[in-house]
Amino acid sequence: EPEVTQTPSHQVTQMGQEVILRCVPISNHLYFYWYRQILGQKVEFLVSFYNNEISEKSEIFDDQFSVERPDGSNFTLKIRSTKLEDSAMYFCASSEGVQFFGPGTRLTVL
Amino acid sequence: GEDVEQSLFLSVREGDSSVINCTYTDSSSTYLYWYKQEPGAGLQLLTYIFSNMDMKQDQRLTVLLNKKDKHLSLRIADTQTGDSAIYFCAETPYSGGGADGLTFGKGTHLIIQP
Repeated sequence: EPEVTQTPSHQVTQMGQEVILRCVPISNHLYFYWYRQILGQKVEFLVSFYNNEISEKSEIFDDQFSVERPDGSNFTLKIRSTKLEDSAMYFCASSEGVQFFGPGTRLTVL
Repeated sequence: GEDVEQSLFLSVREGDSSVINCTYTDSSSTYLYWYKQEPGAGLQLLTYIFSNMDMKQDQRLTVLLNKKDKHLSLRIADTQTGDSAIYFCAETPYSGGGADGLTFGKGTHLIIQP
């Protein structure tokens, strides 16, 4: 069964560093998403992406975040100058109607 | 803005039915979802229902939707220890573009007693 994959499973970085989280969506899906889940809190929508551009974004998705589909299979989330409060699980999802989620990347900012 | 509310904990005995409840505020909710999250794992799609449906059944899972009261429930029949997890209710307006993000509840921890 096709599934969304994400790498790495765990990323540790120093405050102020840039990180790139990677996702491979399900191959025939056209909509891609990033969410985050701070420990013990709700899963929160960050951004959606369609036709090589951002479709929707939440208030959380500020200028330190960017997304890209650099090739036909990968979908990335870049966080510039990470802050302590960026520590969270980051989930990628893809959809052709119903959203399927990847296993997540746990980002720890020290 | 939209909000989704769930009870934080539900404890049931193995073999009994579990009923997890959710309320939402967005009148334009079109897709309503249930996701399961086991410890350290991602979000597994369990089931979903369109807002033009009242009920959906899939093996041990039954979803009931009361649009008037904006209430969604997930019933798990014959609850097993493997059902122990956090269950998230989520909704989206799906306004036709498919790009709308999901709004999640805080999740209900389902605890199974032997």
